[in-house]
Amino acid sequence: QPQLQESGPGLVKPSETLSLSCTVSGDSITTTRSFWGWIRQPPGKGLEWLGTIYYSGITDYNSALKSRVTISRDTSKNQFSLMLTSVTAADTAVYYCARLTSEVTNWGPARYYFNFWGPGTLVTVSS
Amino acid sequence: QSVLTQPPSVSAAPGQRVTISCSGSSSNIGNNYVSWYQQLPGTAPKLLIYDNNKRPSGIPDRFSGSKSGTSATLGITGLQTGDEAAYYCGAWDSTLSVAVFGGGTKLTVL
Repeated sequence: QPQLQESGPGLVKPSETLSLSCTVSGDSITTTRSFWGWIRQPPGKGLEWLGTIYYSGITDYNSALKSRVTISRDTSKNQFSLMLTSVTAADTAVYYCARLTSEVTNWGPARYYFNFWGPGTLVTVSS
Repeated sequence: QSVLTQPPSVSAAPGQRVTISCSGSSSNIGNNYVSWYQQLPGTAPKLLIYDNNKRPSGIPDRFSGSKSGTSATLGITGLQTGDEAAYYCGAWDSTLSVAVFGGGTKLTVL
C-alpha cells in the first residue's frame, strides 16, 4: 500500500498563499486509474474535500473554494501539491493528502472514497 | 453545516453493539456508494467501509455497513475501548459535483 507524507509551512499569513506537497512512496502518482486528493479538517470540525488530481494530470476541485485552489504534480519526484490563495483564519486546518478511488459516470452510482491517507499537517493562518 | 447528517455522539458499553446513522439525499447517498472512516484521536482518518458494505483488507468483520434509500448505517459489534473514535460517512454528490462528508460521530465506549 502507498505511503503519503505532507510537508510545508505550518504558519501562513492572512492574504498569502498556502503551499503544501505530498510525497508518495510505494506507488506512482501516474499509475493508470490512480487518483490523489487533498482533504482538510479545521480544529474540532469535520472533513472537507478540496480537490483531486488524476493519474493523467487532470484536476477536479471543490467549487465552494471559488477558484482559490490549485493542485499540481511533479512526476519526477512522485509528488503532488496544493496551493490555496488569499488565505484567512478560516483556512486554519489539518491538511491531509490521500490516494482515492474515483468512478464518477453518468450511468451508474458514483464511487468516491479515500483509501490511504497521509498523517496530516497543521497549517495555521495568523499574522 | 455538512451535506450528510450524523448524530454528534453515541455511546455504548464494551461488548455491546452500536449503530451510527448517516442521512443524505438522492443526489448523494440515494444514488451513489457510501464510505465510512474511523478517526482515532490525533490521527488521520482510516477507510473502514466502502461501496456501502465492503471492508478493506485488515478491517475486522465487527464493522459493517448498510444503506437504505437516502440513509446509511455503520454497525460495530463487540465494542472495545480501542473503538473510541470519530466516525465519518462520505459519498459523491452528483448535483454539487463534490465529495461530501458527514459532520462526524464521536463514539464513547463506557
